Amino acid sequence: DAKTTQPPSMDCAEGRAANLPCNHSTISGNEYVYWYRQIHSQGPQYIIHGLKNNETNEMASLIITEDRKSSTLILPHATLRDTAVYYCIVRSYNAGNMLTFGGGTRLMVKP
Amino acid sequence: DAGVTQSPTHLIKTRGQQVTLRCSPISGHKSVSWYQQVLGQGPQFIFQYYEKEERGRGNFPDRFSARQFPNYSSELNVNALLLGDSALYLCASSLEGEETQYFGPGTRLLVL
Repeated sequence: DAKTTQPPSMDCAEGRAANLPCNHSTISGNEYVYWYRQIHSQGPQYIIHGLKNNETNEMASLIITEDRKSSTLILPHATLRDTAVYYCIVRSYNAGNMLTFGGGTRLMVKP
Repeated sequence: DAGVTQSPTHLIKTRGQQVTLRCSPISGHKSVSWYQQVLGQGPQFIFQYYEKEERGRGNFPDRFSARQFPNYSSELNVNALLLGDSALYLCASSLEGEETQYFGPGTRLLVL
């Protein structure tokens, strides 16, 4: 699976949008972009995933660039409970179900 | 609906001992994967099981083994525990072998 690059940490003001970037320049055509987050000492929580179209659900929006080499996870109105480590993962379904986690981005939402 | 459940939540063992961790997937999910998360790092893939068969294995020694039961629950066994096995062990389930994975809360293992 392609490797991803994320900033190690970011801050966001409560109530503002949090935009978390991810670079995946070596992504292949059949690889999906997945986002998970992990709140301290809990199991990772699935947020959203996409292939090439932008996606939105009740938690977040995922914007994938046209060349698919980068993406942005958007939390539209960040709350203190969104403070967590956010992982961007690229995986292909034909490589089994293994998720390869990198270092992630530690998002701190401040009041 | 209940999510993925894991037991026990915490465990303390001494070096050389053996440990068994348990996981119950989300109802209807047939695939279970195990991950190890050492403090300060992201989770690392250990095993995937689908329909009771091993479908994938990460770079872990043979001291680590797992199995999946007819009801799709799973056990992870670790023999001859080392201090470095201290970690959060995570179980994730998915519908089939390649769908989105949903994680449990984990079992925190401390080896003394």
